[in-house]
Amino acid sequence: EIVMTQSPATLSVSPGERATLSCRASQSVSSNLAWYQQKPGQAPRLLIYGASTRATGIPARFSGSGSGTEFTLTISSLQSEDFAFYYCQQYNNWPPPYTFGQGTKLEIK
Amino acid sequence: EVQLVESGGGLVQPGGSLRLSCAASGFTFSSYAMSWVRQAPGKGLEWVSVISGSGPGTYYADSVKGRFTISRDNSKNTLYLQMNSLRAEDTAVYYCAKPPGYCSITSCPLGYWGQGTLVTVSS
Repeated sequence: EIVMTQSPATLSVSPGERATLSCRASQSVSSNLAWYQQKPGQAPRLLIYGASTRATGIPARFSGSGSGTEFTLTISSLQSEDFAFYYCQQYNNWPPPYTFGQGTKLEIK
Repeated sequence: EVQLVESGGGLVQPGGSLRLSCAASGFTFSSYAMSWVRQAPGKGLEWVSVISGSGPGTYYADSVKGRFTISRDNSKNTLYLQMNSLRAEDTAVYYCAKPPGYCSITSCPLGYWGQGTLVTVSS
């Protein structure tokens, strides 16, 4: 099973600043990596797939990069609505499981 | 508009069984693999299971293998999760999820999610 490790567990950033979240895979997942945002009491929302492609309707301030085992989600200028939990997920290995990282909480500084 | 509506959650005793359903609409259900993902209270997301569009391919997390069975009825546009031998650690919100429209194979991200149904395993 591929283990996904996110860092940091909690990130404190001021509105308007840049946030950088990391995700590492225990073995290569190529570019088969997705990022999700989840707010309390809500279902997750797909932000990025294919490591760097924004999902439909996702603002341009969200960007993803990386391949293989190291991935980054960058939010260029934080808005109030961006403070939430973020999860990465790999969907590369066959057969599944398609494991998630443990999440990063992005909080207001 | 894609809609996924889970049902069937509730309180069950350890060792008991429960069947979750996910009613799908707004897309050609049989064309997409469907997944279950769960989230224990205050914890992160855990991938549980996926089934291929036509149904024969089913895959499970090790934590539920042998106890849970995923299935689908394409004539009813409904996804199921039969959960047997339930344990306290199975307590979670269970989400059904679908890939984005461009992705019709099993190895896809999850672009659409239901609102979830809460399963509580407790005596």
